Amino acid sequence: ETGVTQSPTHLIKTRGQQVTLRCSSQSGHNTVSWYQQALGQGPQFIFQYYREEENGRGNFPPRFSGLQFPNYSSELNVNALELDDSALYLCASSSQVGTNEKLFFGSGTQLSVL
Amino acid sequence: GESVGLHLPTLSVQEGDNSIINCAYSNSASDYFIWYKQESGKGPQFIIDIRSNMDKRQGQRVTVLLNKTVKHLSLQIAATQPGDSAVYFCAEESNTGKLIFGQGTTLQVKP
Repeated sequence: ETGVTQSPTHLIKTRGQQVTLRCSSQSGHNTVSWYQQALGQGPQFIFQYYREEENGRGNFPPRFSGLQFPNYSSELNVNALELDDSALYLCASSSQVGTNEKLFFGSGTQLSVL
Repeated sequence: GESVGLHLPTLSVQEGDNSIINCAYSNSASDYFIWYKQESGKGPQFIIDIRSNMDKRQGQRVTVLLNKTVKHLSLQIAATQPGDSAVYFCAEESNTGKLIFGQGTTLQVKP
């Protein structure tokens, strides 16, 4: 086990709704990244948070937003859900910003949009 | 654009044989590569990494080879075991720092 915990493990929403996913980083880790993994695909980078600020963003629309808290935990918020948002959402934490060395992933939240 | 690809979506091997999983990348400027293993219901798990100043790196039962000339990466697993059954992803660190994953190869180990 990596120590990165995500909640909930599974979630079902309907199109147009909003969702919040949560991530607790591994102890001592101050950087959190979020990835979207569609079925049968590799994870795609959404964004990264460091010191409570967004520190890099992938090719995702503004309705994907995030937060990082003083204890380094993080939230991913998705507004106006679309069917294509159905995916596994992965959180990863590390103790070093600017490098992907020693990046640890959680088990993800499986989001289904109906 | 940036992309990382794997040559085969599925690889089936006999228990005890060696496995070789291949990956091609497109960004010749990339200098850090990682292999991940993802089991069903879990997140990707780090296996081994390599920087572009090396062409080979060995771990426990695993070896990563990097051929920068043809932009090719491979993961070799020695004496494959049933517990090695999973989806394997190569990932490339882009010049913006984000990880770019390939689509994955499913390794099936036959008893």
